[in-house]
Amino acid sequence: DTAVSQTPKYLVTQMGNDKSIKCEQNLGHDTMYWYKQDSKKFLKIMFSYNNKELIINETVPNRFSPKSPDKAHLNLHINSLELGDSAVYFCASSLGGNQPQHFGDGTRLSIL
Amino acid sequence: GENVEQHPSTLSVQEGDSAVIKCTYSDSASNYFPWYKQELGKRPQLIIDIRSNVGEKKDQRIAVTLNKTAKHFSLHITETQPEDSAVYFCAKDLNYGQNFVFGPGTRLSVLP
Repeated sequence: DTAVSQTPKYLVTQMGNDKSIKCEQNLGHDTMYWYKQDSKKFLKIMFSYNNKELIINETVPNRFSPKSPDKAHLNLHINSLELGDSAVYFCASSLGGNQPQHFGDGTRLSIL
Repeated sequence: GENVEQHPSTLSVQEGDSAVIKCTYSDSASNYFPWYKQELGKRPQLIIDIRSNVGEKKDQRIAVTLNKTAKHFSLHITETQPEDSAVYFCAKDLNYGQNFVFGPGTRLSVLP
């Protein structure tokens, strides 16, 4: 019973393409996040949403556009993919700020 | 921006020994300090967390200490086992939990 599920697990595509990653949580949490983990394993927050509203946008290029149709979903659309976008992207959710975060299994994005 | 320093970056211990990882920060407004364990190819998982009104918390072989005055917090693992081998990340909240910053990680290897 996956609490935070994200699809796809792997995404291989060419530079310049547009792609989306989906995330859904069945924990009833109000807050969802997107993180980027680069090849050196640094985990950096990209966005946080609370009850479908954007709370934090951590200086992410506007080629990245999150969308939250409801509080159980936070999808990430990326336009004009660049080589530097190659990374593992993790979705996470929590009851709210200052609460434990539950991570999805990650989406490994590889740009050719 | 706000950073969290984490030391050491790699740590090797013999099975049964203790391991200590320390994180330091500069922002005094933080109130929530979680620790995550990430096994190779897997998602980060919360192992323990501590809030600013507590100095120490223990859960079986894992403990966390927090010194708000000195702005550092540490993870202590006793009686280490090979399955403790993983990358460990400290983290802290910003803006009352709306944002999080992670340390760069410590790769722990427990040698049998």
